[in-house]
Amino acid sequence: DAGVTQSPTHLIKTRGQQVTLRCSPKSGHDTVSWYQQALGQGPQFIFQYYEEEERQRGNFPDRFSGHQFPNYSSELNVNALLLGDSALYLCASSLAETSAIVNNEQFFGPGTRLTVL
Amino acid sequence: QKEVEQNSGPLSVPEGAIASLNCTYSDRGSQSFFWYRQYSGKSPELIMFIYSNGDKEDGRFTAQLNKASQYVSLLIRDSQPSDSATYLCAASNRDDKIIFGKGTRLHILP
Repeated sequence: DAGVTQSPTHLIKTRGQQVTLRCSPKSGHDTVSWYQQALGQGPQFIFQYYEEEERQRGNFPDRFSGHQFPNYSSELNVNALLLGDSALYLCASSLAETSAIVNNEQFFGPGTRLTVL
Repeated sequence: QKEVEQNSGPLSVPEGAIASLNCTYSDRGSQSFFWYRQYSGKSPELIMFIYSNGDKEDGRFTAQLNKASQYVSLLIRDSQPSDSATYLCAASNRDDKIIFGKGTRLHILP
């Protein structure tokens, strides 16, 4: 049973550049959430995708955008990178129907470490 | 602003003792609560979730929820050095947005 996978594992960019991070959910899951985790902090919710649409969004600027494909995989795009965007970006997958019974278990991928110079 | 609060630690506990980790949350609409373990440089790993008042036990781990006090805790019995990690508390309501605390660093002393 394949778990959540993310690519790349590490990435170095310079200010002003754009980056695309990728995520494949756990087998059988249909919902993907993205989080940003700065050093020493808990993960901060960026947005969630279900049925190829953004369903929820956290307090992040429009520079952060995403996409979900028919196979449930997802991309996170960040434009005009700032030094403060350096963080571990985590993707988590879940099964939408479990939300109805308030379990909402999310399983995290290994993350992408983004460094902005 | 919906928040989840945790003591950042470090919490030092002798091997074999009980480690007690605590968390409070501000959103009374929160319905599900999660404990994740995160080793340095790794992604969070789900340990337990709880959504009913009271205790939930799984092996050496017991999660406790008190919705009236907006308080969640995690007890780790017979603590092992491999339990040394950062423990993240998280809360979710029906909109599926999960709010994480900053985590508590736990150090098990051999």
